[in-house]
Amino acid sequence: DTGVSQNPRHKITKRGQNVTFRCDPISEHNRLYWYRQTLGQGPEFLTYFQNEAQLEKSRLLSDRFSAERPKGSFSTLEIQRTEQGDSAMYLCASSPNWLDTQYFGPGTRLTVL
Amino acid sequence: AQKITQTQPGMFVQEKEAVTLDCTYDTSDQSYGLFWYKQPSSGEMIFLIYQGSYDEQNATEGRYSLNFQKARKSANLVISASQLGDSAMYFCAMRDYSGRGGGNKLTFGTGTQLKVEL
Repeated sequence: DTGVSQNPRHKITKRGQNVTFRCDPISEHNRLYWYRQTLGQGPEFLTYFQNEAQLEKSRLLSDRFSAERPKGSFSTLEIQRTEQGDSAMYLCASSPNWLDTQYFGPGTRLTVL
Repeated sequence: AQKITQTQPGMFVQEKEAVTLDCTYDTSDQSYGLFWYKQPSSGEMIFLIYQGSYDEQNATEGRYSLNFQKARKSANLVISASQLGDSAMYFCAMRDYSGRGGGNKLTFGTGTQLKVEL
């Protein structure tokens, strides 16, 4: 049984470029979550999906951010027109259902130059 | 709004000794869940232990136990017989039931960096 996987593990980009991250949850996990973690802080919630439906978005998720989970399996997080303040670790987690424990992937570390 | 406070930025413990990592929380919810995660330098958040607010017994998972004191709103993690591999960042988190679909998003503290020494 494989865990949550995320790709790429590291991404370096220039300010103004678009980036896309992918998350593959644990098989048959209905819930998928995205968090952002900046240096010295705990993860902060961004958004989550129940199957393909995006149920909630944090105020942290500006208009430049969009997340999808088109077939209820993998998810993508896109950041348009990146800014230096977007530099962070982006973590994905999944859980079987509503109240179950969330299991995290290894994260994608984004550096915006 | 929920809040998690971890007041120990860093802790040192000698190998084979026990260590307690502090966590206090604030919530107006009657029903809530508390988690501890471990984050090694590789970045992955590893689930350690869970305590429900209505659980009468303190949770235990191997060398990990959660000292849950509801009246004091504290949920301290106790690691017994520390090992070098326990060196990592440890986060306390609370489940938030609010929001569409019942939530289950997590609110994290700022973490405690644990260093296990020989």
